[in-house]
This record gives sequence, C-alpha cells and structure tokens, in this order.
Amino acid sequence: AQSVTQPDIHITVSEGASLELRCNYSYGATPYLFWYVQSPGQGLQLLLKYFSGDTLVQGIKGFEAEFKRSQSSFNLRKPSVHWSDAAEYFCAVGAIKDNQGGKLIFGQGTELSVKP
Amino acid sequence: NAGVTQTPKFRILKIGQSMTLQCTQDMNHNYMYWYRQDPGMGLKLIYYSVGAGITDKGEVPNGYNVSRSTTEDFPLRLELAAPSQTSVYFCASSYAGRTEAFFGQGTRLTVV
Repeated sequence: AQSVTQPDIHITVSEGASLELRCNYSYGATPYLFWYVQSPGQGLQLLLKYFSGDTLVQGIKGFEAEFKRSQSSFNLRKPSVHWSDAAEYFCAVGAIKDNQGGKLIFGQGTELSVKP
Repeated sequence: NAGVTQTPKFRILKIGQSMTLQCTQDMNHNYMYWYRQDPGMGLKLIYYSVGAGITDKGEVPNGYNVSRSTTEDFPLRLELAAPSQTSVYFCASSYAGRTEAFFGQGTRLTVV
C-alpha cells in the first residue's frame, strides 16, 4: 500500500541551528515528492518538489531536500533555522502514472518549534 | 491573485444538518481536490475531479458528495452531519495531474 511516514511528530531546534526533517515513502512506482509547510490557521504552501532529474532539489525559504531512491526517503534540510520557520511540515507523494500527481498521500506531519 | 478560495472559513453544525463547502479557483486548473485534515493524521483525500462533469472518490468519501459543473467551482456537500466530520477541510487545484497542487486557506467545521 502507498504510504508516507514522517517519524518525528515534534522537533525543537535552536534558532541558527541546522534542521533535518525525515520522510520515508512506500510507493510501487516512480513517485512525485513534495514538501509543504503549514503555518497556524493557514493553508498549505509548497516548499519544494521532486519530479525527476537531480536528486537534490532547492526550494523556497532556503530549504532543500534530497531524494534517495535506495532508502525511499526524501528528507528536508535547512542549514540555519529562523524563528519564522516554526510551523508544521508535511511530506507528500503523488502518483505519476495516469496523471494522478495531484492525488497526494500525506505523512502525519512534523511540528517544528524554534527556540530563541 | 486569488488562487483557491474557500468559504466559509469557520462553521458550526448540529448533528443531522447539511451544508455545502464552497471552493472556487481562478487559475483555470483542470484538476481539483478536497482533503480533510485531522490532528496527527495528515491530510486525507475525500474526492477529486479531473475536469468539469467528472468526479471520483478518494480515500475517505463516505458522508460527502461533490459536483463539478464548471472548471472554476468544486463544492463539497455534507448531507447528514456527524461528529466524525469535525475537521479542517482543504480544497486544492492543479493544472494537470503532473503538477503541484495549490491549496485554499481551509474551512474549520465543528459538528456538535
């Protein structure tokens, strides 16, 4: 069955420290992979996406993610966290086959807190 | 730029009442989706549409109905509200199946 797992429900980092949010997926075909961010009371904003090509993708707000097919992972990283990065982060996988990329399967989310 | 607009933003329903959550997009996207978000569960797909007149069930369709008479609008109907439908509902759209989805701001629904 298709699934996305975000092992960390809540992470706290100090401002200026580096960040890595983990995402593992289970999907029988080549996936589309996404990271979305949700600020409190807001909708979801796309941070970055992987469709094909270079496995290291750059996104907005200084985020990057690396697709590792052998590990079925798509971890999100940021070298230096800012207080405004506090939010909930969702990893999602979409199907390439039959043009179903928008039918997303989401992970449970990781809530990020930033200490001053 | 409006993008995906959902109304209302908040609503309280009594058990057994019905309501329609409105969703409209101005990006001329063919694909539209309804998701629900429950704490600790991520988002689950309720229904989706690949064009006007075409809809299909997602992962959690029970208790909901949709229609797609125009490219712009994709309303979600709750016929007999139940407490299990208390959730935050997100509408999204994408140009095609192979592009990213854009999300609305959400509708927070409480059924009491």
